[in-house]
Amino acid sequence: DAGVTQSPTHLIKTRGQQVTLRCSPKSGHDTVSWYQQALGQGPQFIFQYYEEEERQRGNFPDRFSGHQFPNYSSELNVNALLLGDSALYLCASSLALGLAGVGVHEQYFGPGTRLTVT
Amino acid sequence: KNEVEQSPQNLTAQEGEFITINCSYSVGISALHWLQQHPGGGIVSLFMLSSGKKKHGRLIATINIQEKHSSLHITASHPRDSAVYICAVRAPYGGATNKLIFGTGTLLAVQP
Repeated sequence: DAGVTQSPTHLIKTRGQQVTLRCSPKSGHDTVSWYQQALGQGPQFIFQYYEEEERQRGNFPDRFSGHQFPNYSSELNVNALLLGDSALYLCASSLALGLAGVGVHEQYFGPGTRLTVT
Repeated sequence: KNEVEQSPQNLTAQEGEFITINCSYSVGISALHWLQQHPGGGIVSLFMLSSGKKKHGRLIATINIQEKHSSLHITASHPRDSAVYICAVRAPYGGATNKLIFGTGTLLAVQP
């Protein structure tokens, strides 16, 4: 049973460019959360997708957008990259509980994508 | 002030020592997670708990909901335990969010 996978593992982009990161959830999971972890900091919640819709969002600008596909995989897009966007981007998958996806089971994390913006 | 505070930030121990990492939080939660992150980034979930105590091998996690405090203990520590240990809390069910809120982590180095 494959766990959470992310691609690419490393990425170098130039300021102003756009980037797309990808995540495949653990088999059987339907909820995907994205986190940004700056060097030396704990992860910060970006947003969460369930049933192909953004269900929750953290304090990130609209430059950060996402998508969830019918197979539950997800993409994180960042436009107009800034130097401060350099970080490890983590994807976590889980299984929603109950009606309307309220509450989640334990989250399983992917290995992350390290983005460097120069 | 962060909603999730961990202590200590850095910890160096000798192999075999008993280790305790503490986590205090200031928000209502439905669950608390202890996570392990090795250099390179991958995060592994160690425990998810909402009350009492859980044990897995040499790891023990406890939580006191009334005091909003949790501890992670490592018995008979080993150099392979060296990693960053992160406490994260989950907002209550039914609220506007059930995202994870992370502490900044405790960097543990166990020396042989």
